[in-house]
Amino acid sequence: GIQVEQSPPDLILQEGANSTLRCNFSDSVNNLQWFHQNPWGQLINLFYIPSGTKQNGRLSATTVATERYSLLYISSSQTTDSGVYFCAVAINDYKLSFGAGTTVTVRA
Amino acid sequence: GAVVSQHPSWVICKSGTSVKIECRSLDFQATTMFWYRQFPKQSLMLMATSNEGSKATYEQGVEKDKFLINHASLTLSTLTVTSAHPEDSSFYICSASGQNSYEQYFGPGTRLTVT
Repeated sequence: GIQVEQSPPDLILQEGANSTLRCNFSDSVNNLQWFHQNPWGQLINLFYIPSGTKQNGRLSATTVATERYSLLYISSSQTTDSGVYFCAVAINDYKLSFGAGTTVTVRA
Repeated sequence: GAVVSQHPSWVICKSGTSVKIECRSLDFQATTMFWYRQFPKQSLMLMATSNEGSKATYEQGVEKDKFLINHASLTLSTLTVTSAHPEDSSFYICSASGQNSYEQYFGPGTRLTVT
């Protein structure tokens, strides 16, 4: 099956800092989603971005499908940004394969 | 929009009993629903995919007789863990996607503890 690698595995930030999370995948995809899992376990949809660039407030994402990677940018981080960020992809069907996640801790 | 609910949010049951978890799409018709399992500090693993009115498709290694999935309508799917054992304790999460869309929306999860 498709391989999904996220980096870094852990990230500690000071409040106000910017950061970039990366997701590499091993095959062409028709679905790529970024999620934030909050401390209660709820997965929050951040972006549906199989290709291109999108922005939503302090978050933005870019997927370069031809080079098989996606980046999630967090600007001016806040303590509420803490949690685990997952990248998930699908090839030719609806089944998502998740990366291992990046655990982000934002310190006040 | 695109809200998915799960019930219950947490459940404790005794070994050997069965537990049913409901997943509902509240504001859209979910042609496909998915069930995932997540162990502590790990990623999500897909257990099965279900389409309304059809039998579920289980991933390799998932026992279909133990994890019964029913997708009776375009807004409801249920997962029944039969004859639960302590090793079935986990966080179960459902997701749903609408017609002509690959994007999945996730429920808040159900934490199952089997004693």
